Amino acid sequence: SVLLYQKPNRDICQSGTSLKIQCVADSQVVSMFWYQQFQEQSLMLMATANEGSEATYESGFTKDKFPISRPNLTFSTLTVNNARPGDSSIYFCSSHRGREQYFGPGTRLTVL
Amino acid sequence: QQKVQQSPESLTVSEGAMASLNCTFSDGTSNNFRWYRQHSAKGLEVLVSIFSDGEKEEGRFTAHLNRANLHVSLHIREPQPSDSAVYLCAVSIGGGYKVVFGSGTRLLVSP
Repeated sequence: SVLLYQKPNRDICQSGTSLKIQCVADSQVVSMFWYQQFQEQSLMLMATANEGSEATYESGFTKDKFPISRPNLTFSTLTVNNARPGDSSIYFCSSHRGREQYFGPGTRLTVL
Repeated sequence: QQKVQQSPESLTVSEGAMASLNCTFSDGTSNNFRWYRQHSAKGLEVLVSIFSDGEKEEGRFTAHLNRANLHVSLHIREPQPSDSAVYLCAVSIGGGYKVVFGSGTRLLVSP
């Protein structure tokens, strides 16, 4: 199995600022995924991040707004640029090993 | 593009009665299906993973997959008030590792 840790657990920031969410795996994983969940709603896949290459983004998510780094096989960072109240949600990182999928505990972001 | 829909949106059952949740998907080439539980917008708890047609049981939770009918269900045996949560269905996109989630079923188990 894979354990995923996220930091911070939660954050409150002002509109217009940028913040970083870190995801660390307890072992090497090929791909990391980032999901966004608005309150009481479904999780939406934002992007896929593989080591050493640019993240690929799903429709509705852009590199300028949500840059993602993947410097090695155990680490990824999601940045939220120019945060707005509409970005307030829970952000999850995820990965897989074999057929199983694993999720981090989530980072709850509130933008004032 | 994979579309995943869950029904009902909400469900109330009495403690001890069977709870049945449904999930339909649009891409029959998917081979990875999972049910999660989420309490009060907290983390995701995986309940059952199923990869081929048929049934998979994990404790009180049983998933049934029928890819020909584009349907996967979750049955909760003897539900308890602590099972009250949002249940999310997750389906892979084709045979890959990207996953699409349904919008969830809110389950309330009354004592």
